[in-house]
Amino acid sequence: DSGVTQTPKHLITATGQRVTLRCSPRSGDLSVYWYQQSLDQGLQFLIQYYNGEERAKGNILERFSAQQFPDLHSELNLSSLELGDSALYFCASSVALAPHYEQYFGPGTRLTVT
Amino acid sequence: GQQVMQIPQYQHVQEGEDFTTYCNSSTTLSNIQWYKQRPGGHPVFLIQLVKSGEVKKQKRLTFQFGEAKKNSSLHITATQTTDVGTYFCAGNSGAGSYQLTFGKGTKLSVIP
Repeated sequence: DSGVTQTPKHLITATGQRVTLRCSPRSGDLSVYWYQQSLDQGLQFLIQYYNGEERAKGNILERFSAQQFPDLHSELNLSSLELGDSALYFCASSVALAPHYEQYFGPGTRLTVT
Repeated sequence: GQQVMQIPQYQHVQEGEDFTTYCNSSTTLSNIQWYKQRPGGHPVFLIQLVKSGEVKKQKRLTFQFGEAKKNSSLHITATQTTDVGTYFCAGNSGAGSYQLTFGKGTKLSVIP
């Protein structure tokens, strides 16, 4: 158990819909990262927040947005869903901002868009 | 942007054989991390390499960082069925970048 929690574990929804994925980092961790894992694409970095502020952006679509709240939990919002958005979405946390700290991954949310 | 390539994509070995996965970056890295993801699980941090030419060992696993800090390798001696999973390298280019760029991973299957 990494100490990072993600809900829900599974999500099935239809194209065009909007969903929210939630992540609670390890106690004391200030950085939260979101990744998308598709079968043939490995782990794609989406976005990073540190202590409530966006600090790095990867290949995140405009239909996707995220935020980190004062209690440090984070939410990833996916809208106008397409079939290709079906993937495993991981949240990870680390103690600080710099990239040389290990990241602790949550169990993931499996999103299926039908 | 920074690219991290990993080879091979898949590797099947007999139990007891050795296994190596290679990671190559298009840019010089400030650090590289290795993660393991078991089937159905989430990535778990294994190790970080920072120095040029660094070699670190964890039991049967040996990690190397190239002299130019653009490549890395993970070698497993005498594989066991518990080594099954996907091994990812992830690098950071430094220069104010906060993100890790992950390779696509090498999926290891061990035949008992």
